[in-house]
Amino acid sequence: GDSVTQKQGQVTLSEDDFLFINCTYSTTTYPTLFWYVQYPGQGPQLLLKVTTANNKGISRGFEATYDKGTTSFHLQKASVQESDSAVYFCALVDNMGYKLTFGTGTSLLVDP
Amino acid sequence: EAAVTQSPRNKVAVTGGKVTLSCNQTNNHNNMYWYRQDTGHGLRLIHYSYGAGSTEKGDIPDGYKASRPSQENFSLILELATPSQTSVYFCASGDLLGGRADQDTQYFGPGTRLLVL
Repeated sequence: GDSVTQKQGQVTLSEDDFLFINCTYSTTTYPTLFWYVQYPGQGPQLLLKVTTANNKGISRGFEATYDKGTTSFHLQKASVQESDSAVYFCALVDNMGYKLTFGTGTSLLVDP
Repeated sequence: EAAVTQSPRNKVAVTGGKVTLSCNQTNNHNNMYWYRQDTGHGLRLIHYSYGAGSTEKGDIPDGYKASRPSQENFSLILELATPSQTSVYFCASGDLLGGRADQDTQYFGPGTRLLVL
């Protein structure tokens, strides 16, 4: 079955630092990939989406690029702010478009 | 703005008791989902539904039942609650994903924190 792997459980940065979160996936089909963000006390919400058609997603200063060769889609941001502190999940949708498979999440803490 | 609400927001239950978690969506989405979130596991799918009257097993359905009486409502039922079911539960709604629209997504509720003693 489909799977996604996030090895970074927790990342601590200072404001204006560069953010890079790695996510790798395994699927038998051409994937559509998502990054979700979860702020404290809330449910996850869509941050951005990457498809094999566009290979890249950009939203709110975050960028994710899909690399078919390494089956990865990393999330990056040039300069993080304290307000970016949250949990970030990568996710993969199944080939029928119904079910999401989530990674285990990366908790980002940005010190002011 | 898409809206998914859950009730209760917090619940304390006893082992062996019955627990019902409720979810309502005003998005007119066909698909609804129940997940649980645990540290180290991320979000795991318990049950989902394609529409009123349908329920499907997700990845971890054991110990849970689901009910979809209408387009708007989707319930998760723990007939005999156990401490291992202590978790945060999220409901979500959405249409088919994977299309070209940048904003197609599942919309999540605020979560229900369940403690089984």
